[in-house]
Amino acid sequence: DAMVIQNPRYQVTQFGKPVTLSCSQTLNHNVMYWYQQKSSQAPKLLFHYYDKDFNNEADTPDNFQSRRPNTSFCFLDIRSPGLGDAAMYLCATSRTGQPYEQYFGPGTRLTVT
Amino acid sequence: GEDVEQSLFLSVREGDSSVINCTYTDSSSTYLYWYKQEPGAGLQLLTYIFSNMDMKQDQRLTVLLNKKDKHLSLRIADTQTGDSAIYFCAEKRNFNKFYFGSGTKLNVKP
Repeated sequence: DAMVIQNPRYQVTQFGKPVTLSCSQTLNHNVMYWYQQKSSQAPKLLFHYYDKDFNNEADTPDNFQSRRPNTSFCFLDIRSPGLGDAAMYLCATSRTGQPYEQYFGPGTRLTVT
Repeated sequence: GEDVEQSLFLSVREGDSSVINCTYTDSSSTYLYWYKQEPGAGLQLLTYIFSNMDMKQDQRLTVLLNKKDKHLSLRIADTQTGDSAIYFCAEKRNFNKFYFGSGTKLNVKP
């Protein structure tokens, strides 16, 4: 089945130790998104790729970076995780064109110790 | 403000109708969505409505849109225990950007 896959599902990292979260898709969608979701809060858009074009949200901290080496894969790099970065990180994809439906992965829960 | 707002909790009895409400922020949003999130899973699109529509029905789901008040609602008829989940509304603004509410946790009592 075509899908959005996130690895790992659970990630523990130490304060200040760089960490990379992975997302892959078999849908061949040209748009990929990263969201941060904290407990009982709305998923917050961090950035998205339209093909290879990177689009950063204005309030996304510089500590968060992303890479998209090809259509299928997208990575979220957190350069120096702080305790406040502990959250669920959701990857999503969509194709351009109506109705712009997003397909979400199951998320990676990041714990910072 | 910038926030998409939803009430946090809703509890209904099995067989009753559920109505989940949402207030969005951008009057120029072209599409509005309802997503469902079950424990341990990602968000799953339930339904969407284009901004030039007032209502959309899809089996047990009815979406109502009031553009003047920027109010969106999701009605689930004959609610089942399997409908227990968190429901998120979302709006699509310009440039492929989506903004979500904080979710309404629906509890269905047998």
